[in-house]
This record gives sequence, structure tokens and C-alpha cells, in this order.
Amino acid sequence: ETGVTQSPTHLIKTRGQQVTLRCSSQSGHNTVSWYQQALGQGPQFIFQYYREEENGRGNFPPRFSGLQFPNYSSELNVNALELDDSALYLCASSSAGTGLYTFGSGTRLTVV
Amino acid sequence: GENVEQHPSTLSVQEGDSAVIKCTYSDSASNYFPWYKQELGKRPQLIIDIRSNVGEKKDQRIAVTLNKTAKHFSLHITETQPEDSAVYFCAASMGSGGGADGLTFGKGTHLIIQP
Repeated sequence: ETGVTQSPTHLIKTRGQQVTLRCSSQSGHNTVSWYQQALGQGPQFIFQYYREEENGRGNFPPRFSGLQFPNYSSELNVNALELDDSALYLCASSSAGTGLYTFGSGTRLTVV
Repeated sequence: GENVEQHPSTLSVQEGDSAVIKCTYSDSASNYFPWYKQELGKRPQLIIDIRSNVGEKKDQRIAVTLNKTAKHFSLHITETQPEDSAVYFCAASMGSGGGADGLTFGKGTHLIIQP
């Protein structure tokens, strides 16, 4: 059984650019959630995907968008990057209805 | 939306002593309360969770209690060891954690175990 893997591990982008982060869910999981963790803070829920559709969203603007693929992997896209988008982005997968999330190690995004 | 407050932000205890971390939540509809441990540079890992139909749950040295009336829940670690040093996060969710609202996390407690 494989865990949740994210790529890349680190990324540096310039303000105004766009970025795509990737996540492979744990085997047997069909739901993927994304979280933003600023330094010294708890993770904040961005959105969740189930059956290739967004079925829940936190308080993040539309420039944060995502996709889920038939193999349950997922992408997080952020447009028009701002300095405050610098954070650790965590992906978590689960089986729908269980609430038992497995987190990936995250992608550290730095916006300069 | 849900709001989770966590205290203290830093907790230093002697090795072998007990540690208690407390969280309060605002939305009475929340019914799933997990605790995560995050070591520096690593992923959050689930260490214990409790659902709203249970008042207490224990797993070896770790226990969680839930008071639905007061809307607070606590993590108890007994006989602390150096490897318990980490940041601990509480979280709350509706729909038994399987809903589409995700987890609302507290800001974390940095637990330091003094040798």
C-alpha cells in the first residue's frame, strides 16, 4: 500500500505567476483535500474533490482551483500568485465518509 | 463557519510527566475531532480521534476526552518521552469527518519534553 505523494517538494515562483502542484492519493482512497499551512499555523482547508468534482471549499478565492483525475490523483492550481501564498501546501486523501485522512509531506511554495 | 481555539501554544514538561492540550470549537454540528502530530518538516500524522457519540477514547499513553455541552476536547499524554516532542494540532469536522467541509484546525501546540 502506498501513501500520499506530492510533487514537487519545493518550489520558488515570482509574484503574478501561476503554479500547479500535484498529489497522488493513497491506494484505496477516492477523496482528495488540499490544505494551506502558513508558517507557525494550522492547516487551512482549501477544497475537496470527490468523483472528479469539487464538493467542498474553504475560504479561498477562485484563483485557487483544482482537478481530480479518474485514478483519484489531483492537482492544485494557483493563478496570479501573491506573496501571502507562500506556505506549505498539503494534500490529504481519504475514503469518502470515513473522515480518516492521510496527509502527504507537502509542497513548500515560496513566492518572491 | 467552524472556529477552533487551541491552548497552550507552547507546553514544556519534564520527561515522564503528563501533558494536556485543550481545544474548543464553535459549531455544535461538528461531530468528529482528530488530533495530529507534526514533527519538524514532516507530514501531519493522525494519533487519535473521537466522534461525538463517545466521551473518551484511549490508546496506550494517549487519551482524548470530549465535552459536547461545553464544546471542548482535550488531548492527554501520560509518561511523556523525548519522541513526543512535536507540534500537536486539534481539528474539528462535521459529517463525521467524511463531509465535504474538510477539517478546521487549531493553531497548534509546540510540546517540548525536557530530559
